[in-house]
Amino acid sequence: GAVVSQHPSWVICKSGTSVKIECRSLDFQATTMFWYRQFPKQSLMLMATSNEGSKATYEQGVEKDKFLINHASLTLSTLTVTSAHPEDSSFYICSAGGTATYEQYFGPGTRLTVT
Amino acid sequence: AQKVTQAQTEISVVEKEDVTLDCVYETRDTTYYLFWYKQPPSGELVFLIRRNSFDEQNEISGRYSWNFQKSTSSFNFTITASQVVDSAVYFCALIGGATNKLIFGTGTLLAVQP
Repeated sequence: GAVVSQHPSWVICKSGTSVKIECRSLDFQATTMFWYRQFPKQSLMLMATSNEGSKATYEQGVEKDKFLINHASLTLSTLTVTSAHPEDSSFYICSAGGTATYEQYFGPGTRLTVT
Repeated sequence: AQKVTQAQTEISVVEKEDVTLDCVYETRDTTYYLFWYKQPPSGELVFLIRRNSFDEQNEISGRYSWNFQKSTSSFNFTITASQVVDSAVYFCALIGGATNKLIFGTGTLLAVQP
């Protein structure tokens, strides 16, 4: 149980275009989902927390107009990187929260390369 | 403020050696949770263990063991008789209080040589 998928697993896009990444909880409902970014050889940094049906809460320093998060249902959250630039190239990982506050189930990640 | 420190950036061992990965945490919360995750080259995080602040019992799972000491705010991870498949980045993480935000350490890259 507690399987989280991400799509796509990797994507290459041109500078200036937008990219959407999907995060799905496959066998449970997730009121809360989290989005992390990981640059090469660095740790995971929380970008934002999204709650189903409400606006996402962004961490300090994360541009909410650039990283659009939508959590439209209890099983799906999307992250859209708008007007992507090479510096947005990174590994994006989502997680879905379980019933307890300490539970998070991670997706396999999406590797974004912006050329 | 909450913080997780993994002072070892990289560790290299030879297969069958034992290796300990250090983790020191900071939190003012009395209730908190500590985690270890493994991140192999594929990138997918693999959950290894969760410990709550009220349970200081050490845990052993096969070749893995964890030593939780509140007195030193440490949650160290030992791999016994390491194998090449253990090569990965290992992250220690913390959730404190009523928050659901995971705070990750900087990770330790473990390379197990055959």
